[in-house]
Amino acid sequence: ESVLTQSPGTLSLSPGERATLSCRASQSVSSSYLAWYQQKPGQAPRLLIYAASSRATGIPDRFSGSGSGTDFTLTISRLEPEDFAVYYCQHFGSSPPWTFGQGTKVEIK
Amino acid sequence: EVQLVESGGDWVQSGRSLRLSCAASGFTFGDYAMHWVRQAPGKGLEWVSGISWNSGTIIYADSVKGRFTISRDDAENSLHLQMNSLRAEDTALYYCARRMKDNVGFDLWGQGTMVTVSS
Repeated sequence: ESVLTQSPGTLSLSPGERATLSCRASQSVSSSYLAWYQQKPGQAPRLLIYAASSRATGIPDRFSGSGSGTDFTLTISRLEPEDFAVYYCQHFGSSPPWTFGQGTKVEIK
Repeated sequence: EVQLVESGGDWVQSGRSLRLSCAASGFTFGDYAMHWVRQAPGKGLEWVSGISWNSGTIIYADSVKGRFTISRDDAENSLHLQMNSLRAEDTALYYCARRMKDNVGFDLWGQGTMVTVSS
């Protein structure tokens, strides 16, 4: 089981700024099995990125994912007001559990 | 409309049972693996259980193994989670989620149903 550690815990930024979120795995994982989600208060999570770098349907191109091995990154190129939320990474390993990272909160500075 | 709607959440005492349901609509339910994910109040996401499209593979988190049972009824387009021997630490909002057909990721989520277990 690979443990996912997200950093930072909280990111304080202004609209228009670039956000860089990290997800580090305790052991090397296949990038094909790494996903990112966004969750806003009172809402269910929404799939943003699958296979480390592929945007899900309807996701704006300001969201991008990258990485391999143990280090993965979610980048939001220019923050829009609706992007302030909590972001989770998730790894789908060859066997369960399919753990989530603890989340990174992107808040308005 | 493509959607998942959970139901069955309630307040129960420790040791009791509860059955959650998730009604799917707007897509071919039988083509997809389905999962349950929970979120304790103010906490992060925890994957709970999953079932393949044909019920041939069923998996659980260690925290619920032996107590929870996932099942599906493709004729009724529904997913279920039978929760027995509930504990205070099972208190959470329970989401059902659809796994992508050809990739990994949960691409459709319900709004969740709240389970509160009182000790």
